[in-house]
Amino acid sequence: EAGVVQSPRYKIIEKKQPVAFWCNPISGHNTLYWYLQNLGQGPELLIRYENEEAVDDSQLPKDRFSAERLKGVDSTLKIQPAELGDSAVYLCASSSLAGYEQFFGPGTRLTVL
Amino acid sequence: GQQLNQSPQSMFIQEGEDVSMNCTSSSIFNTWLWYKQDPGEGPVLLIALYKAGELTSNGRLTAQFGITRKDSFLNISASIPSDVGIYFCPGNQFYFGTGTSLTVIP
Repeated sequence: EAGVVQSPRYKIIEKKQPVAFWCNPISGHNTLYWYLQNLGQGPELLIRYENEEAVDDSQLPKDRFSAERLKGVDSTLKIQPAELGDSAVYLCASSSLAGYEQFFGPGTRLTVL
Repeated sequence: GQQLNQSPQSMFIQEGEDVSMNCTSSSIFNTWLWYKQDPGEGPVLLIALYKAGELTSNGRLTAQFGITRKDSFLNISASIPSDVGIYFCPGNQFYFGTGTSLTVIP
């Protein structure tokens, strides 16, 4: 069984540029999560999807961050424009609708110069 | 708001020693999950606890869900170098806290 796939693994951009991250969850998993992880900290939830519906986006900075999961499968997280403080690892996870265990992807390490 | 405290923040131990770490919460949890994160990877579930008082083992790992549902501990017996990593205990699935960093000295 394939795990959660994320791309790219690494991204380096200059501040004020846009950036997008892609996530393909485990097949059949209806719940998808995007997390932000700063160095030395635990993952912080940005947004949670149940199928194509964003059921919790309270921690998503909506002035510059956006996310979509149009067909309830893969998802894209976008930052526009990026700021220096956005440098972090962006993790995607998925779980079955009724399950508690989250399966994480390897993450995308973003560096904003 | 909810507070999740994990201790210790970091541990340096000799290979073969036993390890104990715990989490406490200001809120009651219905589940308690323990994850481990290796460098450069996403967290991986180690043990899931669903009932107050539940004691569960997974190989060298043992975890218990406190009776009050506000705390949990994780024990690792006879540590080995691959136990190195950061251990998280998100009680409600989504709040991970800062974790416990474990270093095993060969």
